[in-house]
Amino acid sequence: AQSVTQLGSHVSVSEGALVLLRCNYSSSVPPYLFWYVQYPNQGLQLLLKYTSAATLVKGINGFEAEFKKSETSFHLTKPSAHMSDAAEYFCAVSETYNNNDMRFGAGTRLTVKP
Amino acid sequence: NAGVTQTPKFQVLKTGQSMTLQCAQDMNHNSMYWYRQDPGMGLRLIYYSASEGTTDKGEVPNGYNVSRLNKREFSLRLESAAPSQTSVYFCASSEEDRSSYNEQFFGPGTRLTVL
Repeated sequence: AQSVTQLGSHVSVSEGALVLLRCNYSSSVPPYLFWYVQYPNQGLQLLLKYTSAATLVKGINGFEAEFKKSETSFHLTKPSAHMSDAAEYFCAVSETYNNNDMRFGAGTRLTVKP
Repeated sequence: NAGVTQTPKFQVLKTGQSMTLQCAQDMNHNSMYWYRQDPGMGLRLIYYSASEGTTDKGEVPNGYNVSRLNKREFSLRLESAAPSQTSVYFCASSEEDRSSYNEQFFGPGTRLTVL
């Protein structure tokens, strides 16, 4: 079955610094890949998704992710962190279009220091 | 437009008690899902419903039952709660769309503690 590994349960950056959250996946077929963000005491919100159209995917709030098949990676980046980016981020993988087999990573908590 | 709503927000149960978590969506989505979120484990799918009248097991269905009451509502029932079911439960919905692979929309969650 497909799976996701997020490297680093906690990441801390200074405001204005580059944000890099790492995600590696395992899948037996070309995957669908997602990044979700969760703010405290809220549900998950989709940041961006990869569905084989383009390897560099742009999402909301200035985030983007690049699908690298050779590295089985889908890392999330943002050039300049903002205090409002502090949240927990989840990478997820699915092998079907209908989401019924979604597998989430354990999450990375992002802290942004002033 | 409320999106996905869940009740209750918080619940404390004693071992062996039963309860039902309620979920409703107003986006006319066909698919609905129940997940549990545990520290260090991300979200795991408990059950899903691809359409009204159908339900299927997900990754961790043991100890749970579900009912897709109508297109809007999808409930999760714990018949005999156990401490291992202490978790945050999220309901989600989505519309199947092969062309755009629509996202799942999540509710705010129910925090359940079983003593």
